[in-house]
Amino acid sequence: KAGVTQTPRYLIKTRGQQVTLSCSPISGHRSVSWYQQTPGQGLQFLFEYFSETQRNKGNFPGRFSGRQFSNSRSEMNVSTLELGDSALYLCASSLALAGGLSGEQFFGPGTRLTVL
Amino acid sequence: AQKITQTQPGMFVQEKEAVTLDCTYDTSDQSYGLFWYKQPSSGEMIFLIYQGSYDEQNATEGRYSLNFQKARKSANLVISASQLGDSAMYFCAMREDTLGGKLIFGQGTELSVKP
Repeated sequence: KAGVTQTPRYLIKTRGQQVTLSCSPISGHRSVSWYQQTPGQGLQFLFEYFSETQRNKGNFPGRFSGRQFSNSRSEMNVSTLELGDSALYLCASSLALAGGLSGEQFFGPGTRLTVL
Repeated sequence: AQKITQTQPGMFVQEKEAVTLDCTYDTSDQSYGLFWYKQPSSGEMIFLIYQGSYDEQNATEGRYSLNFQKARKSANLVISASQLGDSAMYFCAMREDTLGGKLIFGQGTELSVKP
């Protein structure tokens, strides 16, 4: 069974630009979550999508947005990039079990974004 | 308030010895899950082990076991027979089931295995 895939793996952008990152979950998984990892702030939750709907959102500005497609693939978009957006962006997929539980969560390899 | 606390920023262990990585958590939810992940220098987060709050037995996965003490709100990871490839960052995380798939992470523990 293929794992979680993320594209691209590395990205270099300049301030003010926008970027779109993609995540394909494990087959059969319906929940996709996104995380930002920086040396200063650690791992922070961005948002979670389940059945094409945002189910949960972290404390990030509106420049960060996402969506999920009918095949559970997800994209996140960051507009008007700032230097502080440089980070490793990780997505995780999980089964959406009964009662809202998510079960085990598996991460992709991440996209390393550098903003110059 | 910090919900996941890992008090050991760095640890050393001799190859083939066992090591315990500490994790305490804080939640008022009755239903929650606790996770441990390994992150090598490549950056990928590798799932190691999961413990549900209602699980009566401590979780085990190969050389990994989770010492779950619910009353003390601790979920320590025990790695038996350490290997050089175990050198990495280790993160404890919690999911409160009322919040869907959102994971809250600790700051991590950097484990170095010495030959």
